[in-house]
Amino acid sequence: SAVISQKPSRDICQRGTSLTIQCQVDSQVTMMFWYRQQPGQSLTLIATANQGSEATYESGFVIDKFPISRPNLTFSTLTVSNMSPEDSSIYLCSVEDRWYPRSDTEAFFGQGTRLTVV
Amino acid sequence: TQLLEQSPQFLSIQEGENLTVYCNSSSVFSSLQWYRQEPGEGPVLLVTVVTGGEVKKLKRLTFQFGDARKDSSLHITAAQTGDTGLYLCAGLKTGANNLFFGTGTRLTVIP
Repeated sequence: SAVISQKPSRDICQRGTSLTIQCQVDSQVTMMFWYRQQPGQSLTLIATANQGSEATYESGFVIDKFPISRPNLTFSTLTVSNMSPEDSSIYLCSVEDRWYPRSDTEAFFGQGTRLTVV
Repeated sequence: TQLLEQSPQFLSIQEGENLTVYCNSSSVFSSLQWYRQEPGEGPVLLVTVVTGGEVKKLKRLTFQFGDARKDSSLHITAAQTGDTGLYLCAGLKTGANNLFFGTGTRLTVIP
Protein backbone atom coordinates (compact mmCIF):
# COMPACT_ATOMS: atom_id res chain seq x y z
CA SER A 1 0.00 0.00 0.00
CA ALA A 2 1.02 3.63 -0.22
CA VAL A 3 0.14 6.79 1.64
CA ILE A 4 0.22 9.95 -0.43
CA SER A 5 0.37 13.46 0.94
CA GLN A 6 -0.63 16.15 -1.48
CA LYS A 7 -0.57 19.88 -0.93
CA PRO A 8 -2.05 22.36 -1.07
CA SER A 9 -5.48 20.84 -0.59
CA ARG A 10 -7.09 23.86 -2.21
CA ASP A 11 -6.15 27.24 -3.56
CA ILE A 12 -7.70 30.25 -5.24
CA CYS A 13 -5.36 31.84 -7.77
CA GLN A 14 -5.35 34.84 -10.04
CA ARG A 15 -5.35 34.23 -13.77
CA GLY A 16 -1.92 34.44 -15.34
CA THR A 17 -0.15 33.10 -12.27
CA SER A 18 1.25 29.61 -11.65
CA LEU A 19 0.65 27.07 -8.91
CA THR A 20 2.90 24.18 -7.95
CA ILE A 21 1.29 21.11 -6.39
CA GLN A 22 3.44 18.77 -4.33
CA CYS A 23 3.00 15.03 -3.93
CA GLN A 24 4.91 12.98 -1.34
CA VAL A 25 4.71 9.17 -1.16
CA ASP A 26 5.68 7.12 1.89
CA SER A 27 7.50 4.53 -0.23
CA GLN A 28 9.70 4.49 -3.30
CA VAL A 29 7.80 4.15 -6.57
CA THR A 30 8.91 4.10 -10.16
CA MET A 31 5.99 5.91 -11.71
CA MET A 32 3.76 8.65 -10.40
CA PHE A 33 0.64 9.79 -12.23
CA TRP A 34 -1.02 13.18 -12.35
CA TYR A 35 -4.76 13.43 -13.06
CA ARG A 36 -7.26 16.21 -13.51
CA GLN A 37 -10.86 15.80 -12.40
CA GLN A 38 -13.84 18.06 -12.72
CA PRO A 39 -15.99 17.74 -9.56
CA GLY A 40 -18.16 14.64 -9.77
CA GLN A 41 -16.62 13.50 -13.04
CA SER A 42 -14.03 10.98 -14.08
CA LEU A 43 -10.25 11.26 -14.05
CA THR A 44 -8.23 12.49 -17.01
CA LEU A 45 -4.58 11.50 -17.04
CA ILE A 46 -2.29 14.48 -17.53
CA ALA A 47 1.10 12.79 -17.46
CA THR A 48 3.21 9.99 -16.07
CA ALA A 49 6.30 11.04 -14.12
CA ASN A 50 9.30 8.72 -14.03
CA GLN A 51 12.29 9.41 -11.85
CA GLY A 52 15.33 10.34 -13.90
CA SER A 53 13.53 11.00 -17.15
CA GLU A 54 11.11 13.47 -18.66
CA ALA A 55 7.45 13.03 -17.94
CA THR A 56 5.24 11.48 -20.58
CA TYR A 57 2.25 13.67 -21.41
CA GLU A 58 -1.14 12.57 -22.68
CA SER A 59 -2.79 14.05 -25.71
CA GLY A 60 -3.98 17.56 -25.00
CA PHE A 61 -1.45 18.27 -22.27
CA VAL A 62 1.95 19.90 -22.86
CA ILE A 63 5.04 20.38 -20.78
CA ASP A 64 5.01 24.17 -21.07
CA LYS A 65 1.58 24.32 -19.46
CA PHE A 66 2.05 21.50 -16.94
CA PRO A 67 5.76 21.14 -16.11
CA ILE A 68 6.47 18.20 -13.83
CA SER A 69 9.46 17.50 -11.62
CA ARG A 70 10.45 14.10 -10.25
CA PRO A 71 13.65 14.61 -8.28
CA ASN A 72 13.52 11.27 -6.44
CA LEU A 73 11.46 8.10 -6.02
CA THR A 74 9.13 9.52 -3.37
CA PHE A 75 8.31 13.03 -4.57
CA SER A 76 6.88 14.86 -7.55
CA THR A 77 5.48 18.28 -8.36
CA LEU A 78 3.01 19.44 -10.98
CA THR A 79 2.92 23.11 -11.94
CA VAL A 80 -0.12 24.65 -13.58
CA SER A 81 1.33 27.58 -15.52
CA ASN A 82 -0.20 30.82 -16.75
CA MET A 83 -3.54 29.81 -15.31
CA SER A 84 -6.93 30.68 -16.75
CA PRO A 85 -10.40 29.95 -15.34
CA GLU A 86 -10.53 26.84 -17.56
CA ASP A 87 -7.79 25.34 -15.38
CA SER A 88 -10.12 25.32 -12.39
CA SER A 89 -10.34 21.68 -11.42
CA ILE A 90 -9.22 19.06 -8.95
CA TYR A 91 -5.69 17.76 -9.49
CA LEU A 92 -4.73 14.35 -8.10
CA CYS A 93 -1.47 12.49 -7.89
CA SER A 94 -1.43 8.72 -7.85
CA VAL A 95 0.84 5.69 -7.61
CA GLU A 96 0.09 2.07 -8.41
CA ASP A 97 0.96 -1.28 -6.87
CA ARG A 98 1.08 -4.14 -9.34
CA TRP A 99 1.38 -7.86 -8.76
CA TYR A 100 2.52 -10.07 -11.56
CA PRO A 101 1.60 -12.29 -13.26
CA ARG A 102 -2.04 -11.94 -12.15
CA SER A 103 -2.22 -8.30 -13.32
CA ASP A 104 -3.67 -7.22 -9.99
CA THR A 105 -3.17 -3.55 -9.53
CA GLU A 106 -4.26 -0.96 -7.03
CA ALA A 107 -4.03 2.77 -7.47
CA PHE A 108 -3.52 5.03 -4.47
CA PHE A 109 -4.38 8.69 -4.57
CA GLY A 110 -3.64 11.85 -2.72
CA GLN A 111 -6.63 13.74 -1.40
CA GLY A 112 -6.45 16.11 -4.35
CA THR A 113 -5.87 19.82 -4.86
CA ARG A 114 -8.97 21.85 -5.61
CA LEU A 115 -7.87 24.77 -7.76
CA THR A 116 -10.03 27.77 -8.51
CA VAL A 117 -8.74 30.37 -10.95
CA VAL A 118 -10.38 33.78 -10.83
CA THR B 1 -13.80 9.40 -26.38
CA GLN B 2 -13.37 7.46 -23.17
CA LEU B 3 -12.18 3.86 -23.36
CA LEU B 4 -14.54 2.74 -20.58
CA GLU B 5 -18.14 3.94 -20.60
CA GLN B 6 -20.18 3.71 -17.42
CA SER B 7 -23.94 3.77 -17.10
CA PRO B 8 -25.87 5.30 -15.66
CA GLN B 9 -23.99 8.56 -15.22
CA PHE B 10 -26.20 9.60 -12.31
CA LEU B 11 -28.30 7.45 -10.02
CA SER B 12 -30.50 8.56 -7.15
CA ILE B 13 -32.29 5.86 -5.17
CA GLN B 14 -34.02 5.30 -1.86
CA GLU B 15 -32.27 3.52 0.96
CA GLY B 16 -32.94 -0.22 0.77
CA GLU B 17 -33.23 -0.38 -3.00
CA ASN B 18 -30.94 -2.40 -5.25
CA LEU B 19 -28.91 -1.00 -8.13
CA THR B 20 -26.49 -2.02 -10.85
CA VAL B 21 -23.78 0.06 -12.47
CA TYR B 22 -22.27 -1.00 -15.77
CA CYS B 23 -18.81 -0.48 -17.22
CA ASN B 24 -18.43 -1.25 -20.92
CA SER B 25 -15.67 -1.15 -23.49
CA SER B 26 -14.78 -2.52 -26.89
CA SER B 27 -11.27 -3.24 -25.60
CA VAL B 28 -10.00 -6.23 -23.66
CA PHE B 29 -8.46 -5.65 -20.24
CA SER B 30 -6.14 -7.89 -18.25
CA SER B 31 -7.86 -6.72 -15.08
CA LEU B 32 -10.53 -4.31 -14.01
CA GLN B 33 -10.97 -2.41 -10.77
CA TRP B 34 -13.81 -0.56 -9.11
CA TYR B 35 -13.15 2.52 -6.99
CA ARG B 36 -15.38 4.72 -4.84
CA GLN B 37 -14.61 8.37 -4.29
CA GLU B 38 -16.11 10.67 -1.68
CA PRO B 39 -15.96 14.47 -1.83
CA GLY B 40 -12.57 15.89 -0.92
CA GLU B 41 -10.85 12.53 -1.15
CA GLY B 42 -9.10 10.48 -3.79
CA PRO B 43 -10.67 7.29 -5.15
CA VAL B 44 -10.33 4.17 -2.98
CA LEU B 45 -10.13 0.66 -4.39
CA LEU B 46 -13.13 -1.60 -3.77
CA VAL B 47 -12.17 -4.68 -5.79
CA THR B 48 -10.04 -6.06 -8.61
CA VAL B 49 -11.31 -8.72 -11.00
CA VAL B 50 -8.86 -10.55 -13.22
CA THR B 51 -10.48 -13.65 -14.73
CA GLY B 52 -13.20 -13.51 -17.39
CA GLY B 53 -16.53 -14.42 -15.79
CA GLU B 54 -15.17 -13.81 -12.29
CA VAL B 55 -17.66 -12.78 -9.62
CA LYS B 56 -16.56 -11.22 -6.34
CA LYS B 57 -18.73 -10.32 -3.39
CA LEU B 58 -17.94 -7.79 -0.70
CA LYS B 59 -20.82 -7.77 1.77
CA ARG B 60 -23.68 -6.10 -0.15
CA LEU B 61 -21.57 -5.39 -3.25
CA THR B 62 -21.23 -7.91 -6.09
CA PHE B 63 -18.75 -7.37 -8.90
CA GLN B 64 -18.64 -9.28 -12.15
CA PHE B 65 -16.08 -9.32 -14.94
CA GLY B 66 -17.45 -10.15 -18.38
CA ASP B 67 -16.47 -13.43 -20.02
CA ALA B 68 -14.61 -11.54 -22.77
CA ARG B 69 -12.93 -9.21 -20.22
CA LYS B 70 -14.41 -6.14 -21.94
CA ASP B 71 -17.04 -5.18 -19.40
CA SER B 72 -17.96 -5.31 -15.75
CA SER B 73 -20.85 -4.63 -13.44
CA LEU B 74 -21.28 -3.56 -9.86
CA HIS B 75 -24.47 -4.55 -8.06
CA ILE B 76 -25.39 -3.12 -4.68
CA THR B 77 -28.07 -4.81 -2.62
CA ALA B 78 -30.12 -2.85 -0.08
CA ALA B 79 -28.28 0.42 -0.62
CA GLN B 80 -27.36 2.51 2.39
CA THR B 81 -26.66 6.22 2.66
CA GLY B 82 -23.01 5.35 3.23
CA ASP B 83 -22.88 4.00 -0.33
CA THR B 84 -23.26 7.52 -1.69
CA GLY B 85 -20.29 8.53 -3.81
CA LEU B 86 -18.68 8.52 -7.22
CA TYR B 87 -18.03 5.01 -8.54
CA LEU B 88 -15.27 4.57 -11.08
CA CYS B 89 -14.27 1.49 -12.98
CA ALA B 90 -10.68 1.30 -14.19
CA GLY B 91 -9.05 -1.14 -16.56
CA LEU B 92 -5.50 -2.26 -17.05
CA LYS B 93 -4.45 -3.15 -20.59
CA THR B 94 -1.59 -5.53 -21.17
CA GLY B 95 1.63 -3.58 -21.63
CA ALA B 96 0.15 -0.25 -20.56
CA ASN B 97 1.78 1.89 -17.90
CA ASN B 98 -1.43 3.42 -16.55
CA LEU B 99 -4.99 2.54 -15.67
CA PHE B 100 -7.83 3.70 -17.89
CA PHE B 101 -10.65 5.15 -15.84
CA GLY B 102 -14.32 4.94 -16.73
CA THR B 103 -16.64 7.90 -17.14
CA GLY B 104 -17.97 7.55 -13.60
CA THR B 105 -21.34 7.00 -11.91
CA ARG B 106 -22.50 9.38 -9.24
CA LEU B 107 -24.70 7.53 -6.76
CA THR B 108 -26.91 9.25 -4.21
CA VAL B 109 -28.76 7.13 -1.67
CA ILE B 110 -31.63 9.00 -0.06
CA PRO B 111 -32.61 8.10 3.51
